Amino acid sequence: QVQLQESGPGLVKPSETLSLTCAVSGYSISSGYYWGWIRQPPGKGLEWIGSIYHSGSTYYNPSLKSRVTISVDTSKNQFSLKLSSVTAADTAVYYCARHRAERTTVTTPNWFDPWGQGTLVTVSS
Amino acid sequence: AIRMTQSPSSLSASTGDRVTITCRASQGISSYLAWYQQKPGKAPKLLIYAASTLQSGVPSRFSGSGSGTDFTLTISCLQSEDFATYYCQQYYSYPTFGQGTRLEIK
Repeated sequence: QVQLQESGPGLVKPSETLSLTCAVSGYSISSGYYWGWIRQPPGKGLEWIGSIYHSGSTYYNPSLKSRVTISVDTSKNQFSLKLSSVTAADTAVYYCARHRAERTTVTTPNWFDPWGQGTLVTVSS
Repeated sequence: AIRMTQSPSSLSASTGDRVTITCRASQGISSYLAWYQQKPGKAPKLLIYAASTLQSGVPSRFSGSGSGTDFTLTISCLQSEDFATYYCQQYYSYPTFGQGTRLEIK
């Protein structure tokens, strides 16, 4: 049974870089699937941040693309998120999740399953 | 970005009721739609994908329908464990979610 677990600092200062890692167990990242990050500000809805394939191909939300980097480490069976120049608006629970891709007019992540339990990151000085 | 609008934003119902939640896309998305259930402090759980395909392990009282721009999630006979927030998500373009529908006990 595949499980995902997010980890990283719970507090980040404004203008700094948020860094999170998602450790995957029960499934080898190298075997396939895509691996994504989704966030949820407190009391609000969900926002897809971006995703990566085991080969290293990445897909980012256009609204965050300039600040986001997602990478994968197949040797550790984990993938990571970096979000630069954070502000209070980046305060959220950050989730990692597995998905496949759909080819419509573009190649896009499809549905997310399973998800990690989430980790709250607060941006504050 | 494709905007997803759910209605109602909140809903009160009783155990045993049949409830329907609606999700409307700002443009046609064929059947590229998923539904999730989220309980407080927990990650979302996939219920339905491809608009009407039930995820393995999800009770059959959940069902989804629709295509194009209008979609529905129906719970045929509410159980106590169904009181939660529900989100739709399109994947015709890069993923976007509805704002959520909070299902509360009447």
